[in-house]
Amino acid sequence: GQNIDQPTEMTATEGAIVQINCTYQTSGFNGLFWYQQHAGEAPTFLSYNVLDGLEEKGRFSSFLSRSKGYSYLLLKELQMKDSASYLCAVRGGILDDYKLSFGAGTTVTVRA
Amino acid sequence: DAGVTQSPTHLIKTRGQQVTLRCSPISGHKSVSWYQQVLGQGPQFIFQYYEKEERGRGNFPDRFSARQFPNYSSELNVNALLLGDSALYLCASSATAQPNQPQHFGDGTRLSIL
Repeated sequence: GQNIDQPTEMTATEGAIVQINCTYQTSGFNGLFWYQQHAGEAPTFLSYNVLDGLEEKGRFSSFLSRSKGYSYLLLKELQMKDSASYLCAVRGGILDDYKLSFGAGTTVTVRA
Repeated sequence: DAGVTQSPTHLIKTRGQQVTLRCSPISGHKSVSWYQQVLGQGPQFIFQYYEKEERGRGNFPDRFSARQFPNYSSELNVNALLLGDSALYLCASSATAQPNQPQHFGDGTRLSIL
C-alpha cells in the first residue's frame, strides 16, 4: 500500500516562491506525479518524476529523492491564478496493479 | 480536441438506489480509470480498464462495478447507494496503461445521496 503525506495548507504572496513537500512510503514505486486542482474543477497534470533530481517546466519545478521517499513542487513567481490545491500522487508497483495513489492535497492561497 | 467528458455533471439519488456514470476518454486513449474524491481529500482509485479488460481495482466494495466498451468509453455502476457514496466521481484517461503515462481527468460527476 501507499502512505502519502503533504501539508494541508500554505499561504504566500504574489511574486514569491512556495515549496510544497510530499513524503511517501510505498511497497513499489513507478514514479511520482503532481497535479493542480482548482476548486470545483478536474485535476490537471503538472509534472512526472521517476528518477532522482529536478525537473523544470516554466515557473514550476519538481524534485524527487527515491532513497528518502521525498518530493517537492516549487512554484516560482506566484500569480493569483496559482491559488489551488496541489496533489502529490505515487504510481505503485506491479503488486499494486500500478495503482495511482493520491495525497490529500495542499491548498495554496496566493495573496496580493 | 475534446478532453475527457463525463455525464451527468450532477446527480441526486436516495439511499438504496443504483447509479450509472459515463465517461468518454480523449480520442486515441485506450485506458480509463475511475476515482472517488470526497471533499477535502485526494482522489481514491476505484478501477482501471485497458483494452476493455480490468487492470486494477481499489479498496471498494462489490457494489461498485465498471466496464469499458469497444470504443474505449466506460461506465461506473454503483448499487445499493449509501450516504457515504456522496462524492465527486472522476474519470481519467491515458494513452496506454504504462506506469509513466499521465492521466487526464474529466470534470467529474458530483453525486449526492439523500
